[in-house]
Amino acid sequence: AQSVTQLDSQVPVFEEAPVELRCNYSSSVSVYLFWYVQYPNQGLQLLLKYLSGSTLVKGINGFEAEFNKSQTSFHLRKPSVHISDTAEYFCAVSDRRNTDKLIFGTGTRLQVFP
Amino acid sequence: SQTIHQWPATLVQPVGSPLSLECTVEGTSNPNLYWYRQAAGRGLQLLFYSVGIGQISSEVPQNLSASRPQDRQFILSSKKLLLSDSGFYLCAWSEGPMNTEAFFGQGTRLTVV
Repeated sequence: AQSVTQLDSQVPVFEEAPVELRCNYSSSVSVYLFWYVQYPNQGLQLLLKYLSGSTLVKGINGFEAEFNKSQTSFHLRKPSVHISDTAEYFCAVSDRRNTDKLIFGTGTRLQVFP
Repeated sequence: SQTIHQWPATLVQPVGSPLSLECTVEGTSNPNLYWYRQAAGRGLQLLFYSVGIGQISSEVPQNLSASRPQDRQFILSSKKLLLSDSGFYLCAWSEGPMNTEAFFGQGTRLTVV
């Protein structure tokens, strides 16, 4: 079974600073990896995903993530954050052999201060 | 274009009362449908998913049940709510496998008192 660990429950950062949100996964099989964003009292929106190919994946709103198979990580980065990036960010994984389920991490609350 | 509707947005129910949350998807056919619960500090927990009418897979044994009476309708129910059922419930759909993209509803905030 797959699992996802997001070690940082909260990440405070000042506007225009860089940010990295960490995600590690555990799986005995190959996986697909995702980052979703949730703005207050809303559903989730896909930021980016890794299916295959280049390990550096670019998403919406200037975010990118790098798949590192040896470290089983899929960290999310942005070189310069904006106030509007304040939200909850979820890392998720699905089994390549059974993609009917998406397993989420516990989320990281990104708080951007002016 | 496809849309997903989830209602109600907020709900306050007493312990022991029944529950029915409804989710419908428009603009697509035979979607995979999902119910997630989001509790504080626990992320999103997959409760049920369905790959077709009448086909329900339960991920976590609990006080809740799900049904799919129509192709694009997914209902989350309970006969008697518990305090521990409080949380933010999210419905989602995908066109087959979730390695494409999952689209989420706006969620229902359930408070059991």
